[in-house]
Amino acid sequence: KQEVTQIPAALSVPEGENLVLNCSFTDSAIYNLQWFRQDPGKGLTSLLLIQSSQREQTSGRLNASLDKSSGRSTLYIAASQPGDSATYLCAPDTGTASKLTFGTGTRLQVTL
Amino acid sequence: SQTIHQWPATLVQPVGSPLSLECTVEGTSNPNLYWYRQAAGRGLQLLFYSVGIGQISSEVPQNLSASRPQDRQFILSSKKLLLSDSGFYLCAWGDNNEKLFFGSGTQLSVL
Repeated sequence: KQEVTQIPAALSVPEGENLVLNCSFTDSAIYNLQWFRQDPGKGLTSLLLIQSSQREQTSGRLNASLDKSSGRSTLYIAASQPGDSATYLCAPDTGTASKLTFGTGTRLQVTL
Repeated sequence: SQTIHQWPATLVQPVGSPLSLECTVEGTSNPNLYWYRQAAGRGLQLLFYSVGIGQISSEVPQNLSASRPQDRQFILSSKKLLLSDSGFYLCAWGDNNEKLFFGSGTQLSVL
């Protein structure tokens, strides 16, 4: 059974700082891994999807890396802004039909 | 463009009452559809997924059921709610690139 751990559970940084969110998973036989953002009381927004054959994906100030063999992924956020404040979730996909397993997330607060 | 609608946004129900949450998708055909639950302090848990009309797979034993009467409609139901059914319920659909797109969620409180 896939288990996903995200560290840290919560993080507070001043605006402009670069930061890294960590995700580890126990079953390395994954098809892909997605990073999501969740605002309080809202649904999830997909940020990046990394296929198992890829090492990283970039979208704007976001860069996600994947080390499948060691069961690790990181989400790098450059030049953080207050609007980046949210909970970030990683979710590896180990089954057919995109059955994702989610971590409990990292709650990020970017302060002015 | 594709959109996903989920309602209601919030729901307060007494223990033992029935439940029906509805999710519809627009702008795509034959999507994979999912129901997830997010309990307080816990990660999202996949409850049901469907790859087509009438095809439902359950991931965990529970007090809930799901149905897909139409291609773009996914319904989550219960005959008698339990306190432990409280949580944030999210519907999602998957595209051909394996990305998941989520609805805005329903906060269910069972009292």
